[in-house]
Amino acid sequence: GAGVSQSPRYKVAKRGQDVALRCDPISGHVSLFWYQQALGQGPEFLTYFQNEAQLDKSGLPSDRFFAERPEGSVSTLKIQRTQQEDSAVYLCASSLVRLFYTDTQYFGPGTRLTVL
Amino acid sequence: AQKVTQAQTEISVVEKEDVTLDCVYETRDTTYYLFWYKQPPSGELVFLIRRNSFDEQNEISGRYSWNFQKSTSSFNFTITASQVVDSAVYFCALRDGGSNYKLTFGKGTLLTVNP
Repeated sequence: GAGVSQSPRYKVAKRGQDVALRCDPISGHVSLFWYQQALGQGPEFLTYFQNEAQLDKSGLPSDRFFAERPEGSVSTLKIQRTQQEDSAVYLCASSLVRLFYTDTQYFGPGTRLTVL
Repeated sequence: AQKVTQAQTEISVVEKEDVTLDCVYETRDTTYYLFWYKQPPSGELVFLIRRNSFDEQNEISGRYSWNFQKSTSSFNFTITASQVVDSAVYFCALRDGGSNYKLTFGKGTLLTVNP
């Protein structure tokens, strides 16, 4: 079946602009995660959804970052008033089950955000 | 606190050589899960393996093998007879067995396999 898809794959924004990044998880996957990957680094956790409920947003770097998953499927990560330090690859992952200790997260190709 | 260390930033080998990627982890949990992911130039993280802390059996999958040693907190990854298509960044990741579902990643190792 289809994997996790993300759009756009590349986004260039001027400092101060708002951006919205979309994630389509694998069909039927309950859990959805967002990670931020800076250049030359490993991904770092941003937020986690179980269905439509955002259970953990402790990794969001500031209140300019907002994520939603209103119908428990597609998710959007929104960044308001972008700053240069927001430049990174934003990765979305999904996993099948609620029983987090048994699941594996499957990742999408990411959205590379460049803030000028 | 969890931590994953991949001390090798870059490795370059010639095709058909064997190569081992090191991963050392830190956790206070007695139950935890270890992962390896491959990130080719396309950017997608490709899942390779998941290992539970209570299962120390080593695993082999084709040219890939993994050596899990709790005594040294290591989970090393070996590619036998490397190929150009193996060129990628490889990440080791850790997740605690409790309610912490977050993956903690190492900084990755860039493997370049030259023809």
